[in-house]
Amino acid sequence: NAGVTQTPKFQVLKTGQSMTLQCAQDMNHEYMSWYRQDPGMGLRLIHYSVGAGITDQGEVPNGYNVSRSTTEDFPLRLLSAAPSQTSVYFCASSTGYNEQFFGPGTRLTVL
Amino acid sequence: KQEVTQIPAALSVPEGENLVLNCSFTDSAIYNLQWFRQDPGKGLTSLLLIQSSQREQTSGRLNASLDKSSGRSTLYIAASQPGDSATYLCALQGSSNTGKLIFGQGTTLQVKP
Repeated sequence: NAGVTQTPKFQVLKTGQSMTLQCAQDMNHEYMSWYRQDPGMGLRLIHYSVGAGITDQGEVPNGYNVSRSTTEDFPLRLLSAAPSQTSVYFCASSTGYNEQFFGPGTRLTVL
Repeated sequence: KQEVTQIPAALSVPEGENLVLNCSFTDSAIYNLQWFRQDPGKGLTSLLLIQSSQREQTSGRLNASLDKSSGRSTLYIAASQPGDSATYLCALQGSSNTGKLIFGQGTTLQVKP
């Protein structure tokens, strides 16, 4: 099992550009989530999904879009990047009642 | 609104010491609580998961306890080693099984040789 994989590992964008952060898991987990980690703010939930075709907003959803067409994949789209979106992004998956597994993260810088 | 707090933010101890990391939460209606370790520049590694109905979980030198009535969880590390140096995060799911975690800010532990 590869577990939870995220691509890219690093990304630099200019303000206004769009991009998609990829997340995939091979554990057949129903639940997937996106978090961002910022100094002094901890990890905050952006969007989450409880199954294919079902997504919902977390604590900080503005500026981000998600969809879940398959169980395995949960991409996060930045519609128009802003410097405030400079952060480390983590994807996680779980069965819900068991432990959550996190990917290695994507470090995003928006200039 | 559920809030999770970890105090202290940083801790430095000599090698071999037994130590306790604290996690407190404001709403006792939780589904489960998980402790993670994060090394600098890395992702989160799950250490222990405690279900709402459980009081404690153990893995090697680690023991996590949960007291919902007082809104507290502790992570006990026995015989600390320099390799234990990392940031330790606690996170919980609220009252329902949604897969959503609420995180504390973490405690950064340094174990000195």
